[in-house]
Order: sequence, then C-alpha cells, then structure tokens
Amino acid sequence: KNQVEQSPQSLIILEGKNCTLQCNYTVSPFSNLRWYKQDTGRGPVSLTIMTFSENTKSNGRYTATLDADTKQSSLHITASQLSDSASYICVVSSGGGNKLTFGTGTQLKVEL
Amino acid sequence: NAGVTQTPKFRILKIGQSMTLQCTQDMNHNYMYWYRQDPGMGLKLIYYSVGAGITDKGEVPNGYNVSRSTTEDFPLRLELAAPSQTSVYFCASSHRTSGGYNEQFFGPGTRLTVL
Repeated sequence: KNQVEQSPQSLIILEGKNCTLQCNYTVSPFSNLRWYKQDTGRGPVSLTIMTFSENTKSNGRYTATLDADTKQSSLHITASQLSDSASYICVVSSGGGNKLTFGTGTQLKVEL
Repeated sequence: NAGVTQTPKFRILKIGQSMTLQCTQDMNHNYMYWYRQDPGMGLKLIYYSVGAGITDKGEVPNGYNVSRSTTEDFPLRLELAAPSQTSVYFCASSHRTSGGYNEQFFGPGTRLTVL
C-alpha cells in the first residue's frame, strides 16, 4: 500500500529561525515528489516538484531535497516569517503522475 | 485568470438531502479532480476526469457522482448525504506536461457538514 509519512506532526518556531520538515514514502512506481503549502481555510499551493533525478530544488526561502534511494525528502525553510504558518504537505505521485498519495502534513506555527 | 473556483464555500445538509458542489477552471486544463480532506488525514481522491465526457473513480467514490460535459466544469453530486460525508472538498485541475509533472492547482474548498 502506498504511504507517505511526515514528521513532526506539528512544530512551533520563532520568527527568523530555520526549520526542516521530513517526509518518508513507500510509493511505487515513483513519478515525482511535491511539497504543498496549505494555509488555514485555503486549498494547497505547490511549492516544489522533483523527479527522482533531482536532489535539490529551491523556491525562494523553501528548499526541498530528495533521496530516492532511501525514499526520503525534506523541506527546509530559511529565515521563517509569520506568513509561513501553515500546513506543509508532502505528496508523492505514481503511475505517470496522476495518482497522488498525500501525507497528513506538518502544521507549522511561526511566532514572534 | 481566476484559476479554480468552487461554490459554495460552506454548506450544512441534513441526512438524506442531496446537493451539487460546483467547480470551474479557466486554465483550459484537461484533467480535473475531486478530493476530500478529513481532519488529521491526507487528501483522498474521490473522482477524476481526463477530459470532457470522461470520468473515473478514485480512492473513495462511494456516495458521490460526477459529470464532465465541458472542459471548464466538473460538478460533484451527493445524492443521499450521510454524516460520514462531513468533510472539506477540494477541486483541482492540471494540464498534462512532459515529464509527468502535471502540477495540480487547487480551489479554495467547500466545507460540508451533514447533520
């Protein structure tokens, strides 16, 4: 059964600090891995998409890494801002990219 | 472009009632999807469509129906609402691109409560 597990479940950090979110997956066949940001009461918004050949991908202060051998990914947020408070969802696609398996998300809260 | 729009934003239904959740996209995407998001759970695919006139079941289709008469619209129908269908429903769309990226763009969601 395809599964995506994320850790931690929730995280509180001070504004300006860095943090790293983890994602482990057992999805086959693997097509690509995505990180989404979901603000409260809104739909998910794509941050990065990586295929198995891409080790790192950045989008501003967000940097995602992928280790296809160990089936692990991380999302690093640099110099956090209050607007980074959201749920971050790891999603792995298979079967040509249309079948998505969603993680349950890491709830990040950035405080002053 | 408005992207993916969904109506209504909120709805309360009584058990046994029916309703249609509307979804429209203006990006000329071929692919459209319906997901539900339950508290503490990952999004689950209900139905999807790869083009007008073509629909297929996802992971949790029971209790729902869809149609795709145009490229823009993909309504989701609940015929006999049950408390288990209390959830947040997201519509998404994507354009098939090379490499299978087909990034999915999500609507703002419809929060449905069945009492």
